[in-house]
Amino acid sequence: AQSVSQHNHHVILSEAASLELGCNYSYGGTVNLFWYVQYPGQHLQLLLKYFSGDPLVKGIKGFEAEFIKSKFSFNLRKPSVQWSDTAEYFCAVKVNWNAGNMLTFGGGTRLMVKP
Amino acid sequence: EAGVTQFPSHSVIEKGQTVTLRCDPISGHDNLYWYRRVMGKEIKFLLHFVKESKQDESGMPNNRFLAERTGGTYSTLKVQPAELEDSGVYFCASSQGAGTWGDNEQFFGPGTRLTVL
Repeated sequence: AQSVSQHNHHVILSEAASLELGCNYSYGGTVNLFWYVQYPGQHLQLLLKYFSGDPLVKGIKGFEAEFIKSKFSFNLRKPSVQWSDTAEYFCAVKVNWNAGNMLTFGGGTRLMVKP
Repeated sequence: EAGVTQFPSHSVIEKGQTVTLRCDPISGHDNLYWYRRVMGKEIKFLLHFVKESKQDESGMPNNRFLAERTGGTYSTLKVQPAELEDSGVYFCASSQGAGTWGDNEQFFGPGTRLTVL
């Protein structure tokens, strides 16, 4: 079965610092990749997704992620974080080996941005 | 357009009691998913409905969990009897289309926090 690893459980940054959150998955076939974010008190919402094509994908709020197939990675980046980026971030994978659309999530990374 | 809604937002029950969680997907979304996050762990898939049919229930932990989606609209997830390890946040998500592979974004509800004492 596929799995997703997020290496950093908690990250603390100061405003304007650069962010990179790691995500690795274990599955050798075709995947769709996602980053979701959950701001305090809010729903999970989609930040960005990769289905095919350009491996560098841009999402909302200045976030981007790069799919590196050889490394089974889909790291999330933002050049300059803001206090409002404080949230929990989830990497997720969807595989095409079965008929379903289930997402497999990583354990989440809690980001705190200090003003 | 209303998003995915879930009721209740919080539920505290005692071990052995029954609890029913409800999810209302976005109108017109054929696909409905239940996920669960136990404290400190990852969000895990429970099951997937396409309209009123269970497409995949491979993630359901045991037969104490029963999910239904009458008429292909809202869904309920019943836990009977509840055990301590059932505590966690139960998320519902929905997506458009009846296809099983493709660019169907899953929209999540706010979750129901279940505490079993």
